[in-house]
Order: sequence, then structure tokens, then C-alpha cells
Amino acid sequence: DTEVTQTPKHLVMGMTNKKSLKCEQHMGHRAMYWYKQKAKKPPELMFVYSYEKLSINESVPSRFSPECPNSSLLNLHLHALQPEDSALYLCASSQLAGDTGELFFGEGSRLTVL
Amino acid sequence: QKEVEQDPGPLSVPEGAIVSLNCTYSNSAFQYFMWYRQYSRKGPELLMYTYSSGNKEDGRFTAQVDKSSKYISLFIRDSQPSDSATYLCAMISGANNLFFGTGTRLTVIP
Repeated sequence: DTEVTQTPKHLVMGMTNKKSLKCEQHMGHRAMYWYKQKAKKPPELMFVYSYEKLSINESVPSRFSPECPNSSLLNLHLHALQPEDSALYLCASSQLAGDTGELFFGEGSRLTVL
Repeated sequence: QKEVEQDPGPLSVPEGAIVSLNCTYSNSAFQYFMWYRQYSRKGPELLMYTYSSGNKEDGRFTAQVDKSSKYISLFIRDSQPSDSATYLCAMISGANNLFFGTGTRLTVIP
């Protein structure tokens, strides 16, 4: 199984809603990532988890809250988002946090904030 | 100046053409070079991963790195409509920071 699975594929939420994005991989990878991608732009790193511990937070606003319940799962909790947060949110994994070039990406969760 | 420069295109070619995609970079600390392919509404998929200057071939794809000129290329031979996608170059510095180019949108016309 070489897949990174993300749910939901599409999410529409209001600015006062609380929602979560979920990511799962069963490749035994020990590093997991959240990226944000706006239209016609490259992915931008948000968070890195290494061995289930948060190792990098790229100065992401606190309305985005990551969680890594175990080595296979990664969540992104969303609260009080702004319309400019609308984007494709990509989860990725790699064998180790240092293997940042060999990332396996999920298909993404397309988020629209109204 | 951006760390990685990539022409966003769009680039349209007829089926069977040779496609050349390029990136330039300014940071001589970049050590690893990748090409990702991203289909519309999908996540990026790693195509090629290279370390040293020179060529690396995989089927119809050839990645070329010229560290002295800070220039990398991806060549696609006998291009197919299924190659239509956005191609992102990416590079890793010694500190393991990953930098993406802006991506080039390619359309191969049957």
C-alpha cells in the first residue's frame, strides 16, 4: 500500500465552524506533513511531524491545529477560518523527516471558507 | 529573488513532441533535485530524484542537473496526452528544507 488517503475530498465551511481534515498512511513512514496549495502556486509547508511529535510549524496561525494521534494518522483541526484560507490542503509522508525529497502526497482536501 | 525560478507556462505541444521543462536556482547549497507531476485536482507525485550533476533517465523521462549553472531540466520524449499536467521542480538544501518551483502547466495535444 503506497497511498496517502485524505478525507474529506471537499469541504465547505463557514467562518464560525469547526471541522477537521484527516490523513492516513500505512507505509510505515515516520514523518508526516501538512501543505497548503493555492491555485497555480506550489505547495507551502505548514507542519511537519516526526515520530508523532511536531517538529516544524511554519508560523501557521493558531486557527489551524495539527494533531498526530499515532504513526499512521494525521489530523488538521480548523476553527474560525477566513475566506483566504480556502485552498487545497495536502498531506504527505516520508520514511523519515530528513527524506523531504521523497514525499508521498495524498490527493488533497479542497477547502472553501465562506 | 526567489530561491527557485520556474516558467509557469502554459506550454502546449503536439503529441510525440520532445518537451523541455527547466528551473534555475540561486542557492548553491541545494543538493538534491526532484521533479513532481501534479494532475488537476490531485496531489503531486514524485517523478525523478537526482543528486549529482549529470543525467538520469527513466523511460521517456530524463532529468538533467547542471550545478555549475544552477540549472535543472526535465525532458519528456514522445510526449503523450496523459503527460498533460503541472510539473513542479523541487530542491533540498543542506538543512533539509524543501523548495518548490511555481510549476509549469503542460498540455499535450492529440
